Amino acid sequence: KQEVTQIPAALSVPEGENLVLNCSFTDSAIYNLQWFRQDPGKGLTSLLLIQSSQREQTSGRLNASLDKSSGRSTLYIAASQPGDSATYLCAVVNTGGFKTIFGAGTRLFVKA
Amino acid sequence: NAGVTQTPKFRILKIGQSMTLQCAQDMNHNYMYWYRQDPGMGLKLIYYSVGAGITDKGEVPNGYNVSRSTTEDFPLRLELAAPSQTSVYFCASSYFSEGREQYFGPGTRLTVT
Repeated sequence: KQEVTQIPAALSVPEGENLVLNCSFTDSAIYNLQWFRQDPGKGLTSLLLIQSSQREQTSGRLNASLDKSSGRSTLYIAASQPGDSATYLCAVVNTGGFKTIFGAGTRLFVKA
Repeated sequence: NAGVTQTPKFRILKIGQSMTLQCAQDMNHNYMYWYRQDPGMGLKLIYYSVGAGITDKGEVPNGYNVSRSTTEDFPLRLELAAPSQTSVYFCASSYFSEGREQYFGPGTRLTVT
């Protein structure tokens, strides 16, 4: 059964710091992995999607990597800003199915 | 495009009542999904649909029903509401190809008392 874990559960950093959020999954037979941002009381905003054949995706200050063999993905945020404060969720879709499994998220706080 | 829309935004139900959460998308997506999110937790898949007339169970389907009569709409029905169904409900949709990136609605906050 696929399980997705995100570490750390919460993170507080000063503005300008580069940071890495981690996501691990137990079954490497995945179709894709998606990173989302969720602001308090709001829905989810898609940040990056990595298909199983890809190693990484980049968008602006964000870079996500995928290593299926080790069951890991990282989300790198460069030069963090207070506006980056939110909860970051990763989710995997297993190969051959549509069932999406989410991690519990990392709550990020960037101090000005 | 409005994207994925959900109604209502908030609802309070008494135990044993029933209701339907509405979800619609205008992106012509084949796939649609219903999730619930409990406080401090990730999302759990309730039901999903790969097209009109086709639905299947996710991780936590008990106490819920769905139907998909059109590409655009995917309502979620709660029968005999229970306190354990207090949660935030999110609807999402995606194309059948292009990586199946999921787009989410704003959510419905449901309280059962």
